[in-house]
Amino acid sequence: GAGVSQSPRYKVAKRGQDVALRCDPISGHVSLFWYQQALGQGPEFLTYFQNEAQLDKSGLPSDRFFAERPEGSVSTLKIQRTQQEDSAVYLCASSSSIGGSYNEQFFGPGTRLTVL
Amino acid sequence: KNQVEQSPQSLIILEGKNCTLQCNYTVSPFSNLRWYKQDTGRGPVSLTIMTFSENTKSNGRYTATLDADTKQSSLHITASQLSDSASYICVVSVGDSSYKLIFGSGTRLLVRP
Repeated sequence: GAGVSQSPRYKVAKRGQDVALRCDPISGHVSLFWYQQALGQGPEFLTYFQNEAQLDKSGLPSDRFFAERPEGSVSTLKIQRTQQEDSAVYLCASSSSIGGSYNEQFFGPGTRLTVL
Repeated sequence: KNQVEQSPQSLIILEGKNCTLQCNYTVSPFSNLRWYKQDTGRGPVSLTIMTFSENTKSNGRYTATLDADTKQSSLHITASQLSDSASYICVVSVGDSSYKLIFGSGTRLLVRP
């Protein structure tokens, strides 16, 4: 596709509910990233995939957060038993390069999650 | 701790005026510094990327500067337009795992007619 797409754009969940957020990266992009952006703050790194391999999940805030990219393309970020503090915008980004010091990351529009 | 701080938090200017946004960072080892523009409800879009050896880079009406010695960067916007209203985020890439980006909180710019 022309850019990174994410769905849904908005999600309202009741506390304790499980949610799944989808990211479709730019076709052919090897690297995929998930970020969490709290209101009024910059994004914070959650996890990094190189193809289907999750190489870094150091930013995932708890074991309730799980991400996968089984075929090296579409990725899903799953949050189990959502809590109010999970409310944020979840951004996905993809890059054509593998790591590297100059890799351009292209961001999707984000999914705004609100936990009631 | 790796940190990126930006100032001011918010700024209002009149259309046609210039402005300069500031960024200070304490990131080590440093790889590169980027400025992103984020419109409301959209993902960030890259404006410039600079390595430590570059001290200025332009993209149209946007000019970024970098002083790697003092660990400061600025983004200068010339002849502002209403469409420049957005958040501008300074981002530093950590050298040892350069895919990992450290984001500032952004400066929210409002351009008024």
